[in-house]
Amino acid sequence: QKEVEQNSGPLSVPEGAIASLNCTYSDRGSQSFFWYRQYSGKSPELIMFIYSNGDKEDGRFTAQLNKASQYVSLLIRDSQPSDSATYLCAVNLVGGGADGLTFGKGTHLIIQP
Amino acid sequence: GAGVSQSPSNKVTEKGKDVELRCDPISGHTALYWYRQRLGQGLEFLIYFQGNSAPDKSGLPSDRFSAERTGESVSTLTIQRTQQEDSAVYLCASSLGEWETQYFGPGTRLLVL
Repeated sequence: QKEVEQNSGPLSVPEGAIASLNCTYSDRGSQSFFWYRQYSGKSPELIMFIYSNGDKEDGRFTAQLNKASQYVSLLIRDSQPSDSATYLCAVNLVGGGADGLTFGKGTHLIIQP
Repeated sequence: GAGVSQSPSNKVTEKGKDVELRCDPISGHTALYWYRQRLGQGLEFLIYFQGNSAPDKSGLPSDRFSAERTGESVSTLTIQRTQQEDSAVYLCASSLGEWETQYFGPGTRLLVL
């Protein structure tokens, strides 16, 4: 069964600290990995995507991928209250678009001022 | 250019009625996806279009659900004989191709009374 797992949280992080969000996936053949942010009552918006093992940095965000461990993470440096949201990990599984993106249930992140 | 648009933004209907939800993808995006998100839940993949063909309809919850797409343009999701459990946000996303990043529309919030 194809699954994407995330800790639902809430994850509470003080303002200015690093928030670390984790995701594991079941399908070893997965190729594309995405992090979406979803504010309450809003649709998901793309934060980052990563295809290759290692780190990918974009501003305060760093995505980390380890295909051998089937693990992808998102680090948010210098966390701000506006980062408070649900973060969805999504994996484009081996079936490609025919399976859509398989989403985790999301981690609710709270940045405490 | 414009993002993914969906209409209506909100729909309240009575149990047993049919509803039609519309999605306009980003121009040039060949792939189009429908998802459902129940309150407090993760995203549930419904169906994917590549052009106007739907290689995988297995995500549709029941035979009351159907979807079609005209060329590489507008898609409609139709729910016949709506039930209260159909109440959810229906999200549409589009991407340049099968493995590409998906961009979401604002969603249609459906409430079945």
